[in-house]
Amino acid sequence: SQQGEEDPQALSIQEGENATMNCSYKTSINNLQWYRQNSGRGLVHLILIRSNEREKHSGRLRVTLDTSKKSSSLLITASRAADTASYFCATDWQGGSEKLVFGKGTKLTVNP
Amino acid sequence: NAGVTQTPKFRVLKTGQSMTLLCAQDMNHEYMYWYRQDPGMGLRLIHYSVGEGTTAKGEVPDGYNVSRLKKQNFLLGLESAAPSQTSVYFCASSSVDRVGGYTFGSGTRLTVV
Repeated sequence: SQQGEEDPQALSIQEGENATMNCSYKTSINNLQWYRQNSGRGLVHLILIRSNEREKHSGRLRVTLDTSKKSSSLLITASRAADTASYFCATDWQGGSEKLVFGKGTKLTVNP
Repeated sequence: NAGVTQTPKFRVLKTGQSMTLLCAQDMNHEYMYWYRQDPGMGLRLIHYSVGEGTTAKGEVPDGYNVSRLKKQNFLLGLESAAPSQTSVYFCASSSVDRVGGYTFGSGTRLTVV
């Protein structure tokens, strides 16, 4: 069963705007990861945040983690048309940390 | 630096036929995984391996078998294909500490008619 659930399912913005995607999960985790998938391609790892971290940055990406609310957010600043893709959060459970469980994804469209 | 390579990229099978999907990684990763991706369902774990000679079931293992005879290869077999197995299959690998996350292959699009 899905551990993470992304929200919204779809998001459409204009180039230059910020995009925020949220992920909620159900059980305790060791870490949470975000991935990007361009249409027809494999997933690409974006960023990993550990359960003892609250915020992490990578270029135009900012990820937050709130373990008390079992939620995470991915912020893409100054979006570009090339950011158009589906974004997935993935968690590895403390009980079975060798496996990642993925959400259903948020489909982001950045209009030029 | 190829990363994770999946073969074939596309395949059409008739119901009842068998086939093997091959995944090869050149990063010396210990862990390897097979996922399937269906519209509206996200990625679901089929089987995984934490090392050469070991395999374990994931969320949706029925109808599939796997083998990891060599560290760099992870094979996914369909013994008797069914239309419900029409999907896009992704292989992934990771190091034990998963610092760099998973590395995914480009996928195999399988259609069972």
